[in-house]
Amino acid sequence: AQTVTQSQPEMSVQEAETVTLSCTYDTSESDYYLFWYKQPPSRQMILVIRQEAYKQQNATENRFSVNFQKAAKSFSLKISDSQLGDAAMYFCAYLYNNNDMRFGAGTRLTVKP
Amino acid sequence: GAGVSQSPSNKVTEKGKDVELRCDPISGHTALYWYRQSLGQGLEFLIYFQGNSAPDKSGLPSDRFSAERTGGSVSTLTIQRTQQEDSAVYLCASSYRLGGRQPQHFGDGTRLSIL
Repeated sequence: AQTVTQSQPEMSVQEAETVTLSCTYDTSESDYYLFWYKQPPSRQMILVIRQEAYKQQNATENRFSVNFQKAAKSFSLKISDSQLGDAAMYFCAYLYNNNDMRFGAGTRLTVKP
Repeated sequence: GAGVSQSPSNKVTEKGKDVELRCDPISGHTALYWYRQSLGQGLEFLIYFQGNSAPDKSGLPSDRFSAERTGGSVSTLTIQRTQQEDSAVYLCASSYRLGGRQPQHFGDGTRLSIL
C-alpha cells in the first residue's frame, strides 16, 4: 500500500524567511503524481504545487518549490519569503492510478510577524 | 458555479440517525471525489465517480456508507445509522477528468458531529 509520511506535525517560520516542509512516501510504482495542498482554517484544500514523477525537474510555483528525490521517495516543499497568509496546514499527497489519492497527516505552519 | 459547493456546512445529529451530505461540483467536471478528514488527521479517500459511475467502492468505511451521483453532476454521500466514529469533516472534490494532470478542486466540506 502507498503511504505518505509527514514527520513534522508543526513548523514555524519568521515572516520573509524560508521554510522547508518534509514529506516521504512509499510506493513500488514508477509513474505517479505528488502534490502539496494547503488547508487554511476555512477548511478548503488549495493546491499549492504538483510534481509528475517521470519529470526530473523540480516543480516551482512563484515562492513555492519542491525538492523531488525519486530514488529516496522524498518530496519536500520549500516556501521562500514566507508571508502571514502562508500560515495553514500543509498536506503532502500521492496519486496513483488516477483516483486514489493518499494524504499525509499534515504539517501545521505558523508564520511569525 | 465558481467552485465546489457542499451542503450542509455543519451537521449535528444523534447517533443512529441517517445523514445525507451533498456535493455540487464545478460545472463540466466529470470526476468527483469524496474524502473524510478526522480531527487532526489527513484526508482519507472514500470513493470517486467518473460520470455517474463509481467503479470502486472499497474505500467506503462500512456498508452504512453509500454514495451516488446523478446526471453527472450532484453527488450525495449517505451514512445510515450513524456512529460517533463517523464524526469528521467530509470533503468533496471535482476535476475536469480523472488523472493527476487534472487538479482536484475542493469544497469547504461538511463538518459532521454525531452526539
